[in-house]
Amino acid sequence: AQSVTQLDSQVPVFEEAPVELRCNYSSSVSVYLFWYVQYPNQGLQLLLKYLSGSTLVKSINGFEAEFNKSQTSFHLRKPSVHISDTAEYFCAGDDKIIFGKGTRLHILP
Amino acid sequence: EPEVTQTPSHQVTQMGQEVILRCVPISNHLYFYWYRQILGQKVEFLVSFYNNEISEKSEIFDDQFSVERPDGSNFTLKIRSTKLEDSAMYFCASGRTGGSQPQHFGDGTRLSIL
Repeated sequence: AQSVTQLDSQVPVFEEAPVELRCNYSSSVSVYLFWYVQYPNQGLQLLLKYLSGSTLVKSINGFEAEFNKSQTSFHLRKPSVHISDTAEYFCAGDDKIIFGKGTRLHILP
Repeated sequence: EPEVTQTPSHQVTQMGQEVILRCVPISNHLYFYWYRQILGQKVEFLVSFYNNEISEKSEIFDDQFSVERPDGSNFTLKIRSTKLEDSAMYFCASGRTGGSQPQHFGDGTRLSIL
């Protein structure tokens, strides 16, 4: 079965520290991969996407993700997090958008 | 930037009652979707809709569910006889094209079944 796996349900990190949110996908999922962010009491917002081309994709707010075919991963990273990054982050693959279970990013002051 | 809008933001309904969740997709989009997110669980695909018919549906989308695009702007999800386990956030999404194009999501309707 197609799947997208986020191993970490919650990641606490100190403000201004780097963070990595992990995402692995099953090889049968079409390699269109997305990261969505859900701020408290809001809907899903597209953060970044990989469709083809460069394996490193970046968002406007400092996040980046790298598509790694050999490791079937699409981890999300940010070199320095801010309190406003507190949110739930969902990795997703194509085919009607298959979502991972989400990772709650908790920024510690 | 155009948005997908959903109403109401919170719906409380007695078990067994019918409920209609409403969505206004982005105006030039052709593909429409419903997802749900039970509290603490992953977002799940329910149904996709294109050219005035269901293009795909998940096993969750049983006979209790139906979708409709009654006019040129609204896209509705109806649950005929609600159950306690229907309590969830329901997200509408729309896309200009299907498949690889990312979808724009509404802020969701929180459905609480009593």
